[in-house]
Amino acid sequence: GDSVTQTEGLVTLTEGLPVMLNCTYQTIYSNPFLFWYVQHLNESPRLLLKSFTDNKRTEHQGFHATLHKSSSSFHLQKSSAQLSDSALYYCALSDRTQVVGQLTFGRGTRLQVYA
Amino acid sequence: DTTVKQNPRYKLARVGKPVNLICSQTMNHDTMYWYQKKPNQAPKLLLFYYDKILNREADTFEKFQSSRPNNSFCSLYIGSAGLEYSAMYLCASSRDRLGDSYEQYFGPGTRLTVL
Repeated sequence: GDSVTQTEGLVTLTEGLPVMLNCTYQTIYSNPFLFWYVQHLNESPRLLLKSFTDNKRTEHQGFHATLHKSSSSFHLQKSSAQLSDSALYYCALSDRTQVVGQLTFGRGTRLQVYA
Repeated sequence: DTTVKQNPRYKLARVGKPVNLICSQTMNHDTMYWYQKKPNQAPKLLLFYYDKILNREADTFEKFQSSRPNNSFCSLYIGSAGLEYSAMYLCASSRDRLGDSYEQYFGPGTRLTVL
């Protein structure tokens, strides 16, 4: 079946340093749709980024990611971490050819940013 | 209003007793989903309703039931709770592919504890 791997369970950073959260996937879909969802403490998960276009950078709220189908990766990056970035980040996979976009999630990476 | 609501937020149940969780949305979304989230694990899709059609995952087919009496409401029903059902249950909704969105909107979750 499909799977999403987020290798880091916890990433701790000092404010101002760059952020990179890893995400790789395995799928039989020919048109994978990749997502990053973010969940702040006591809030619901919400969409941060999404992409289905190979080798095209997508950006939102200072974060960016590029889908690389050749390496099955969709890593999340930010040039300078802020305290408010502390949250749980989920990478997720769907199939763009399906009518319903059910998601396969990774286990999540908790980002903790310190002053 | 992009809010997905879930009731109750916390539920305490006894082993062997039934549990009914409720989710609602007013975005007129075609699809509503239920995920189970356990600590240090990825959110796991249990089932989803696309309009009036229920789709249940093969490995949870017999454990969970659901109903969608109208577009706005969706329930998750456990006939006889076991200790292994203790988890966070997340409800989400989305438009279908015809809307080309795929973004899922999540509720705050219901934390179920089975004793």
